[in-house]
Amino acid sequence: DAGVTQSPTHLIKTRGQHVTLRCSPISGHKSVSWYQQVLGQGPQFIFQYYEKEERGRGNFPDRFSARQFPNYSSELNVNALLLGDSALYLCASSPGGGELFFGEGSRLTVL
Amino acid sequence: GNSVTQMEGPVTLSEEAFLTINCTYTATGYPSLFWYVQYPGEGLQLLLKATKADDKGSNKGFEATYRKETTSFHLEKGSVQVSDSAVYFCALPNLDSGYALNFGKGTSLLVTP
Repeated sequence: DAGVTQSPTHLIKTRGQHVTLRCSPISGHKSVSWYQQVLGQGPQFIFQYYEKEERGRGNFPDRFSARQFPNYSSELNVNALLLGDSALYLCASSPGGGELFFGEGSRLTVL
Repeated sequence: GNSVTQMEGPVTLSEEAFLTINCTYTATGYPSLFWYVQYPGEGLQLLLKATKADDKGSNKGFEATYRKETTSFHLEKGSVQVSDSAVYFCALPNLDSGYALNFGKGTSLLVTP
């Protein structure tokens, strides 16, 4: 079975631009969550969705938004990019609790 | 809110040495506790977990015991291998979203032959 897949794997943007990151969960998993991992730090929780509804939000500005589609895939959007948004963005899925299954991430570089 | 504090790395050990990575937690109640591992260039994967006090999680020779008296969940392995070189993260549930986790800053482990 396919694991969590994320796209793109790498991307470079300039300050002020917008980015959309995509995630496909493991088949049958209804929960998707997003994390930001800055180099040398642990992942920081951004959003969590379950059954297409937002169930949790971390301490991130309104420039960050997300949604979950009927097929349970998800998008993370970041507007007005800042240099500090450069990070590895991780998506994780779970059947509804307990263990999280992570994708390999989308590495965003903002110049 | 719930949080974990990990010992800072990097930790460098020779092959077959004993490993301990300390993790202490602050939490409401007695949540499940997790250790995740991130190998170079990869996403995180669950290493082990414990769901209640005094539980011992184990996997691939690694162990961690949920100790409520000391609010700790230290990761141990009796004999490390070069292939154990990775970053290890302690984690527990996020209060605002029960299906999300709060992670520690991670402890980098390098095992040399």
